[in-house]
Amino acid sequence: DTAVSQTPKYLVTQMGNDKSIKCEQNLGHDTMYWYKQDSKKFLKIMFSYNNKELIINETVPNRFSPKSPDKAHLNLHINSLELGDSAVYFCASNHASGLQYFGPGTRLLVL
Amino acid sequence: DAKTTQPTSMDCAEGRAANLPCNHSTISGNEYVYWYRQIHSQGPQYIIHGLKNNETNEMASLIITEDRKSSTLILPHATLRDTAVYYCIVRVDFGNEKLTFGTGTRLTIIP
Repeated sequence: DTAVSQTPKYLVTQMGNDKSIKCEQNLGHDTMYWYKQDSKKFLKIMFSYNNKELIINETVPNRFSPKSPDKAHLNLHINSLELGDSAVYFCASNHASGLQYFGPGTRLLVL
Repeated sequence: DAKTTQPTSMDCAEGRAANLPCNHSTISGNEYVYWYRQIHSQGPQYIIHGLKNNETNEMASLIITEDRKSSTLILPHATLRDTAVYYCIVRVDFGNEKLTFGTGTRLTIIP
């Protein structure tokens, strides 16, 4: 069974569209994250949720809105997509020991 | 989080031990050293972590100097599947802390 899963794996869309990426973890962890990896391969934290509450927001534009319907899910909605949003987005969940488990990534391409 | 310095790239012959160094001279007393790796197109994968004692698991060994200002990740018998970018990260070891990734070391295993 996949521990952290993301859908879709690939997402190609036009500038200005609104899209969502879904993340689910079956590990029973309380904390989940979204990371962004840009074309230069820098991997940076975007958001963190603990038990459905936002605890980290790393100055991400308001067009990005995470939503956590329950502690096993952390979805990312992006409004008015821009070319610079093209990246690989990774979801992760955090065990109490501090170990983070990452999903396979969602490759977003904005045309 | 303290910053880390790693070589940009390294090569290692298949079957040999791969030794990946990391400098973290500003590490605080409550910060652990974590190692993750990212195999091409996949999400980062936890390898090992430690505070001040050397650690070993089924994947690797971690050697931390006595002053804790540097560490070395050792892959004892490197295989082609170990080709990846290896990230050395320091962070406090409690549940919600984000991971701050640097540029990592691109390790290439040579057949």
